[in-house]
Amino acid sequence: KAGVTQTPRYLIKTRGQQVTLSCSPISGHRSVSWYQQTPGQGLQFLFEYFSETQRNKGNFPGRFSGRQFSNSRSEMNVSTLELGDSALYLCASSSMTGRNTEAFFGQGTRLTVV
Amino acid sequence: AQSVTQLDSHVSVSEGTPVLLRCNYSSSYSPSLFWYVQHPNKGLQLLLKYTSAATLVKGINGFEAEFKKSETSFHLTKPSAHMSDAAEYFCVVSNTGFQKLVFGTGTRLLVSP
Repeated sequence: KAGVTQTPRYLIKTRGQQVTLSCSPISGHRSVSWYQQTPGQGLQFLFEYFSETQRNKGNFPGRFSGRQFSNSRSEMNVSTLELGDSALYLCASSSMTGRNTEAFFGQGTRLTVV
Repeated sequence: AQSVTQLDSHVSVSEGTPVLLRCNYSSSYSPSLFWYVQHPNKGLQLLLKYTSAATLVKGINGFEAEFKKSETSFHLTKPSAHMSDAAEYFCVVSNTGFQKLVFGTGTRLLVSP
């Protein structure tokens, strides 16, 4: 069974640009969550999608958005990039939503903003 | 709001000696607790989870953790460290109705020969 796939693995963007990251969950999983990992703030929850609906959102500005497609694949978009957006973005998939459900993580997309 | 505190940012052990990574949690009601491991340039891998069944939870690669409500702790242990255990370990709590994980700040485990 294939794991969670995130593309691209590495990305370099310029301040002010926008970026789209992609996540393909494990087959059959309907919940996709996104996390940002930085040395200063650690791992922080961005948002969760379940059956194409955003179920929960973390404390991030509106420049961060996402969506989920009918095949459960998800994308997140960051507009008007800032230097502080440089981070490892991790996607996690789960078979269902809920606190007891374990999340399986992809290897992440490392975004560098210059 | 729920949170976890990892008491050590770095832990150093010798190969073959026991490992103890400490985690305290704060939650208004019964939490789900997890330990994840992250090797360099890799994603996160689940080691084990507690979801109010047995208080002693066994995970992969010989790791286990004990849930102690009276101490609000969920420490991770392993009897004998291996070089391949060197990585960053995260204690995680989840007690909402959604798939939202709250991560601790991480503990970097260093294993020397």
